[in-house]
Amino acid sequence: EIVMTQSPATLSVSPGERATLSCRASQSVSSNLAWYQQKPGQAPRLLIYGASTRAPGIPARFSGGGSGTEFTLTIASLQSEDFGVYYCQQYNKWPPWTFGQGTKVEI
Amino acid sequence: EGQLVESGGGLVQPGGSLRLSCAASGFTFSNYWMTWVRQGPGKGLEWVANIKEDGSGKYYVDSVKGRFSISRDNAKNSLFLQMNSLRAEDTAVYYCARDNAFMIQGDLGPIYYYGLDVWGQGTTVTVSS
Repeated sequence: EIVMTQSPATLSVSPGERATLSCRASQSVSSNLAWYQQKPGQAPRLLIYGASTRAPGIPARFSGGGSGTEFTLTIASLQSEDFGVYYCQQYNKWPPWTFGQGTKVEI
Repeated sequence: EGQLVESGGGLVQPGGSLRLSCAASGFTFSNYWMTWVRQGPGKGLEWVANIKEDGSGKYYVDSVKGRFSISRDNAKNSLFLQMNSLRAEDTAVYYCARDNAFMIQGDLGPIYYYGLDVWGQGTTVTVSS
């Protein structure tokens, strides 16, 4: 099973600032990585697939990067609606698909 | 765009059974793999199971193998999760989600990447005596 490790656990950011979230895989997942955002009481929302491609309707301030074992999600100029928990997920080697433990972004 | 609505959650005693349903609308259900993801109280996301478009392939996380069974009825646009021998650690919000394949044109041809792009609102399962 591929283990996904996210850091930091919590990120405190002011509106307008840049936020960078990290995700590390225990073995290479190539570019088979997705990012999700989850707000309290809501279902997750797909942000990024293929490590770097924004899903339809996702604002351009969200960008993904990396390949292999190291990945980043960057939120440029954080907006108040961007608070929540962000998860990475690998689908290179499955079952199981595996998620990271999440990074909580606090505004 | 698509919509998914789960139902069937509730309170069940350890060792009991429950059947979750997920009703799909707004997209051609039979064209997509479908997935169940769960989230324990205050915890992160855990992939539980998924099923091929025609139901011929089914895959599970180790912790539910032999106890849970995923199925679908394409004629009724419905996804199911039969949960038997339930344990306290199965307590969670259960989400159904659509597996989408996104095509990107690479230098050597099309490349497919995947993501769970449509989610239901979740149904809560509580296993407790």
